[in-house]
Amino acid sequence: AQSVSQHNHHVILSEAASLELGCNYSYGGTVNLFWYVQYPGQHLQLLLKYFSGDPLVKGIKGFEAEFIKSKFSFNLRKPSVQWSDTAEYFCVRRDDMRFGAGTRLTVKP
Amino acid sequence: EPEVTQTPSHQVTQMGQEVILRCVPISNHLYFYWYRQILGQKVEFLVSFYNNEISEKSEIFDDQFSVERPDGSNFTLKIRSTKLEDSAMYFCASNSGQGADEQYFGPGTRLTVT
Repeated sequence: AQSVSQHNHHVILSEAASLELGCNYSYGGTVNLFWYVQYPGQHLQLLLKYFSGDPLVKGIKGFEAEFIKSKFSFNLRKPSVQWSDTAEYFCVRRDDMRFGAGTRLTVKP
Repeated sequence: EPEVTQTPSHQVTQMGQEVILRCVPISNHLYFYWYRQILGQKVEFLVSFYNNEISEKSEIFDDQFSVERPDGSNFTLKIRSTKLEDSAMYFCASNSGQGADEQYFGPGTRLTVT
């Protein structure tokens, strides 16, 4: 089965630090990828998505992700995190909608 | 903005009882999904549903589980004879099936089996 993997389980940063969360997808099939975020006590929300075209995808709240086919990666980035970015982040592959394990981000004020 | 709704927000049940979790997907969506998230663990796919039948299910979705779209708006997940390990957050999602459309998730139902 196709899948995605997220290697960072818990990331702790100070405010204004730069963020990069890893996501790798398995080879094969059409690759459409999402990043979802789950803020504490809230439901899953879409941050951004890649279907085709420009591999650098801009999302909400200053997030972006780059689809790098040669590395099978779709890492999430943000140049300067805020305390309000504290949440769980999930990389998801559309064709089977399997979630990665998730990365918990804690931003210290 | 249209949204997926789920009821109840929290359900407590005794082991061995049956529960029905309800979802109202976005009205023009055609694909429906259930996921669960056991506390502290990853979000797990359970089942997808299209055109009034299951299109895909995971190994978790055994005979204990069933889904139904009883009318034009509701999408339910039934869990028969609940077990302690069924305690989790259950999320419903829907998708229009068009192009680059993503899944829209409901707020979840927290199921506690005692």
